[in-house]
Amino acid sequence: EAGVAQSPRYKIIEKRQSVAFWCNPISGHATLYWYQQILGQGPKLLIQFQNNGVVDDSQLPKDRFSAERLKGVDSTLKIQPAKLEDSAVYLCASSLRFGGQETQYFGPGTRLLVL
Amino acid sequence: AQSVSQHNHHVILSEAASLELGCNYSYGGTVNLFWYVQYPGQHLQLLLKYFSGDPLVKGIKGFEAEFIKSKFSFNLRKPSVQWSDTAEYFCAVSLYGNNRLAFGKGNQVVVIP
Repeated sequence: EAGVAQSPRYKIIEKRQSVAFWCNPISGHATLYWYQQILGQGPKLLIQFQNNGVVDDSQLPKDRFSAERLKGVDSTLKIQPAKLEDSAVYLCASSLRFGGQETQYFGPGTRLLVL
Repeated sequence: AQSVSQHNHHVILSEAASLELGCNYSYGGTVNLFWYVQYPGQHLQLLLKYFSGDPLVKGIKGFEAEFIKSKFSFNLRKPSVQWSDTAEYFCAVSLYGNNRLAFGKGNQVVVIP
């Protein structure tokens, strides 16, 4: 079974530029998550989708971050404009369903460096 | 605020030594508990999980964890580590029903051959 795919794996941009990350979850997984992992910390949830609807985006900095999951499969996370403090690894995860007892499976992440 | 605590961020030990990593959480209610591992250059992988039932759970590669509800803890153990256990270990907690994982800061474990 293919895992969660993410691209690009690495990205270097200058502050105030925009950047987008792509995620393809495990086939059949209805729930998709984006996490931000800053160096030395654990991942922090940014947004959670159930199919193509947002379940929780309370920790997403909406003035600069946006995410969508068109057609309930692939998802993109965008930062516009980027700040130095956005340097982090952006992880995508998916789970089969929402609610109850679910396990999340993680992709390899996109490592972003903002200069 | 709900939180997950992992202490002793850096752990260095020799092969064959025993490993125990602590995890405490501050959530009330029914929780799902996880340990994830990230080997150098690899992505986060599930090591083991607890949903309900026997509080002593066994995972891959000889790891086990014990859920102690009264102590809000889910400590990870391995009786004899190998060099290949060098990795970063994350404890994560979600509330039953919403799947939102909260992670601890992680333990960087280095096993010396």
